[in-house]
Amino acid sequence: DGGITQSPKYLFRKEGQNVTLSCEQNLNHDAMYWYRQDPGQGLRLIYYSQIVNDFQKGDIAEGYSVSREKKESFPLTVTSAQKNPTAFYLCASKTGTTSTDTQYFGPGTRLTVL
Amino acid sequence: AQSVTQLGSHVSVSEGALVLLRCNYSSSVPPYLFWYVQYPNQGLQLLLKYTTGATLVKGINGFEAEFKKSETSFHLTKPSAHMSDAAEYFCAVSDPGGSQGNLIFGKGTKLSVKP
Repeated sequence: DGGITQSPKYLFRKEGQNVTLSCEQNLNHDAMYWYRQDPGQGLRLIYYSQIVNDFQKGDIAEGYSVSREKKESFPLTVTSAQKNPTAFYLCASKTGTTSTDTQYFGPGTRLTVL
Repeated sequence: AQSVTQLGSHVSVSEGALVLLRCNYSSSVPPYLFWYVQYPNQGLQLLLKYTTGATLVKGINGFEAEFKKSETSFHLTKPSAHMSDAAEYFCAVSDPGGSQGNLIFGKGTKLSVKP
């Protein structure tokens, strides 16, 4: 079954800790994305990657970091510099950079800071 | 810069009634337009999209949307609501001339369906 998996589904973090959210896809997509979702705020772009070993900052990259060492994997690290990390995090991918391509989403990870 | 406005953060309809969720965009050129649905604690699923061609687009689960350039709108409709339609709906746009194909999302509209 092709798709996007995110793990864990729920994640709890103590203040001052870094945590890494996993995103894996077996759709052979080149482009991958990380979004943050807060109630009433829609989806805001954190980072995106259009090709392996390359990525760009989105609108709210401060306090986050990513890597893209493999085509199928795009992990997101939430660092201690992110002041308000409690949110729902969504990973997405699509075939390429064409504007008509559909983005496919994973099931999300809910991060809570204790 | 592009932007998307979804009028009404919450919409409530009775089962069997018409569903109308509003989306307006602001862009110097007509963008490509998408509607996604999100059920609680899940990811987003594409309902439909408009890129070129026929301005009335049919999607999954009986939804459709019409691109109206003169009104800069892409409203989502369904003739008869079902309880299973209760979810949050997001309108999104992308720039046809953009080199990255990124999406810009509206803030979402939560649809409630009353029995």
